[in-house]
Amino acid sequence: DAGVIQSPRHEVTEMGQEVTLRCKPISGHDYLFWYRQTMMRGLELLIYFNNNVPIDDSGMPEDRFSAKMPNASFSTLKIQPSEPRDSAVYFCASRTSGSYEQYFGPGTRLTVT
Amino acid sequence: RKEVEQDPGPFNVPEGATVAFNCTYSNSASQSFFWYRQDCRKEPKLLMSVYSSGNEDGRFTAQLNRASQYISLLIRDSKLSDSATYLCVVPKGRDTGRRALTFGSGTRLQVQP
Repeated sequence: DAGVIQSPRHEVTEMGQEVTLRCKPISGHDYLFWYRQTMMRGLELLIYFNNNVPIDDSGMPEDRFSAKMPNASFSTLKIQPSEPRDSAVYFCASRTSGSYEQYFGPGTRLTVT
Repeated sequence: RKEVEQDPGPFNVPEGATVAFNCTYSNSASQSFFWYRQDCRKEPKLLMSVYSSGNEDGRFTAQLNRASQYISLLIRDSKLSDSATYLCVVPKGRDTGRRALTFGSGTRLQVQP
């Protein structure tokens, strides 16, 4: 079985540009999580979904960030406009409702110049 | 008090050594705890779950002290391949049945030949 798939793996963009990160969870998993990891702040939960519905978005830093999950097999995290302080590794993770174990994707390394 | 606190290290130990990491948590209602391992530039992966007083898996032992609200991870007979960052993880908030996880900032282990 394929694991969590994220794209792109690397993204370099200029300040002010729109960035869209994509995630395909493991089939059958009904929870999806978006995290951001930096050296300074560690791994931070941004938002998570249950059955495609956003449950908690309190970790989304500001209105420039938005996330959607139009169906069970796809989610996006969008940053518009991007800023240099958004540079980080963004992870997507998924799990089933019967377990706390989260399976992480390989991450998207975002650099905003 | 932070939800999860860990000593960032690094812990530099020779092969064959025994090393222990501690982690403290603030939510006294937490019932389950986890250790995740993260290799350099990779995604976190579940190492061990701790649901009662402790858990043992080969060279790895996780122990829980509810009274003092700390969790420890003991690694015996360290291998070069154990070099990684170890993340202490607890569920967020109260038991709502839809809980996310809070990740500690991680303890870095470097096993040297």
